[in-house]
Amino acid sequence: GAVVSQHPSRVICKSGTSVKIECRSLDFQATTMFWYRQFPKKSLMLMATSNEGSKATYEQGVEKDKFLINHASLTLSTLTVTSAHPEDSSFYICSARALQGYNSPLHFGNGTRLTVT
Amino acid sequence: AQSVAQPEDQVNVAEGNPLTVKCTYSVSGNPYLFWYVQYPNRGLQFLLKYITGDNLVKGSYGFEAEFNKSQTSFHLKKPSALVSDSALYFCAVTGEWGSNDYKLSFGAGTTVTVRA
Repeated sequence: GAVVSQHPSRVICKSGTSVKIECRSLDFQATTMFWYRQFPKKSLMLMATSNEGSKATYEQGVEKDKFLINHASLTLSTLTVTSAHPEDSSFYICSARALQGYNSPLHFGNGTRLTVT
Repeated sequence: AQSVAQPEDQVNVAEGNPLTVKCTYSVSGNPYLFWYVQYPNRGLQFLLKYITGDNLVKGSYGFEAEFNKSQTSFHLKKPSALVSDSALYFCAVTGEWGSNDYKLSFGAGTTVTVRA
């Protein structure tokens, strides 16, 4: 149980275009989902907290107009990278908690490798 | 503000030998600690957590971790490592709801290589 599906797993796009990444909780409902960016030196950076039915909460330094997050239902959150640039190339990972409570573990999608040419 | 330190960027061990991946943390109030493993081009998989109770926590794939409050540590251990344990390991901490530390923070990760 507690499966998070992320799609696509890899995407290559040209500079200036937009890319949408989907994150679905397959067997549970997620009021909150989290979007992370993983840099080449391995560290995970929390980008934003996606809240079902309301606006996402962005971390300091993350451009909300560039990284659009929509949490339209209890099982789906999307991250759209708008007007992508090569520096946006990275590994993006979503996650969610299957159980209520901040001390329950996060379940992660398999990530999306974005390459902007 | 909360933080997690994984002092070793890499750990190399021979198959069959004990494996230890170190983690220390800083958080206000009681910590809630987690270990995750990541295989190449994949998301993170949950291994184990400490919330309360016994300081020794057992998790998936034969891993365990020991919570040490006085040393603010939560080291991951496996008595006998396998080649298939080679991966990237993350320690994470969150504090109590309502505090400033309730978000999950990850360490920088430790790459474990187990040689045959």
